[in-house]
Amino acid sequence: GESVGLHLPTLSVQEGDNSIINCAYSNSASDYFIWYKQESGKGPQFIIDIRSNMDKRQGQRVTVLLNKTVKHLSLQIAATQPGDSAVYFCAEIEGQNFVFGPGTRLSVLP
Amino acid sequence: DTGVSQDPRHKITKRGQNVTFRCDPISEHNRLYWYRQTLGQGPEFLTYFQNEAQLEKSRLLSDRFSAERPKGSFSTLEIQRTEQGDSAMYLCASRLIAGTANTEAFFGQGTRLTVV
Repeated sequence: GESVGLHLPTLSVQEGDNSIINCAYSNSASDYFIWYKQESGKGPQFIIDIRSNMDKRQGQRVTVLLNKTVKHLSLQIAATQPGDSAVYFCAEIEGQNFVFGPGTRLSVLP
Repeated sequence: DTGVSQDPRHKITKRGQNVTFRCDPISEHNRLYWYRQTLGQGPEFLTYFQNEAQLEKSRLLSDRFSAERPKGSFSTLEIQRTEQGDSAMYLCASRLIAGTANTEAFFGQGTRLTVV
């Protein structure tokens, strides 16, 4: 069946550098996407969302890009900090539910 | 703190026992979800409620699982005759659905179940 997935399972970046986390989706009918951050032992925390009528959305230090042509979503984190270390999930709305990919672990190196 | 509370945070139970988890959503949110998450995986949908009505159940929700939201506020998830394969993090999320626009879901901290 159609599902959301991720290109890389792990990503290591130097503190202060920018991070880019990618996500591929296969359901061309999806019209709403969310990025979540999950720290160890905690529930997913909402970061930013984007609707399919947009290509880009910016938040505080984060930007989400949506490329509907190739069904690709990315999360950019500017000036990555140690507190950004976590697993990041993209999720798409499918019907009334959210479908999550397997996640990317981001490690911030000192 | 997202405003979604789950209790207990951790539960260890012997195989064959019944367990019940509770979720208190954000008070004005009319939609409530239950998800299950195993180690290294993303959350998997189990079921959701719109107010007190349970509108959809996943195939993952076997007949040993039952969820309720009797007054459209808090919800409980019960697992009967637990099996080791039920060991996972059980997550609750809530959303405010008003009109047709999609909105984000806010998750609780989860209940980690270990079946021994």
